[in-house]
Amino acid sequence: QQQVKQSPQSLIVQKGGISIINCAYENTAFDYFPWYQQFPGKGPALLIAIRPDVSEKKEGRFTISFNKSAKQFSLHIMDSQPGDSATYFCAASPGSGYSTLTFGKGTMLLVSP
Amino acid sequence: DAGITQSPRYKITETGRQVTLMCHQTWSHSYMFWYRQDLGHGLRLIYYSAAADITDKGEVSDGYVVSRSKTENFPLTLESATRSQTSVYFCASSKTDYGYTFGSGTRLTVV
Repeated sequence: QQQVKQSPQSLIVQKGGISIINCAYENTAFDYFPWYQQFPGKGPALLIAIRPDVSEKKEGRFTISFNKSAKQFSLHIMDSQPGDSATYFCAASPGSGYSTLTFGKGTMLLVSP
Repeated sequence: DAGITQSPRYKITETGRQVTLMCHQTWSHSYMFWYRQDLGHGLRLIYYSAAADITDKGEVSDGYVVSRSKTENFPLTLESATRSQTSVYFCASSKTDYGYTFGSGTRLTVV
């Protein structure tokens, strides 16, 4: 049973455009939702994270939007750049006590020059 | 250097052999994790640990064992490697159970 569903699997965006990646979760106990960015040959790196007490969090060109009632959250990359080309993973965790992150299957983003 | 280090970076082994992947972190983080990454499956949890001598199974633990005698080390052992264990393995650590920091990974090929 996949607890975090991520879409699309791959995405091509023109330079300067907006990249949008969506995730949906099933476990209502999840209360921590990070996004990780992974470049080829590297480990995933924490990009931005949100908790359900806010509906949006912005860090530079990266924004997480969170819809608790729909159990969905998304990553928006504004003014996408070729350097943003990477694989992006959403994840979720109950976040209390001894818990672990459940990851989506990832989205390969290519930003064309 | 401070950080989380995985070794070896690449490994080729034969079916049936035992192989150990190493993970070392210098932050004294309590939590450590092992994930495997496969195309179409994303990152799947193999084992995790809250502290020395405390380990728990993850989603795909069959065929793997771990130990954590020291806080900084969390080796992953494939007892008898199978071709289905060909994957990229990532170790991660965390001060709490949020905000993982991942190593650079070990690419394991079982032939």
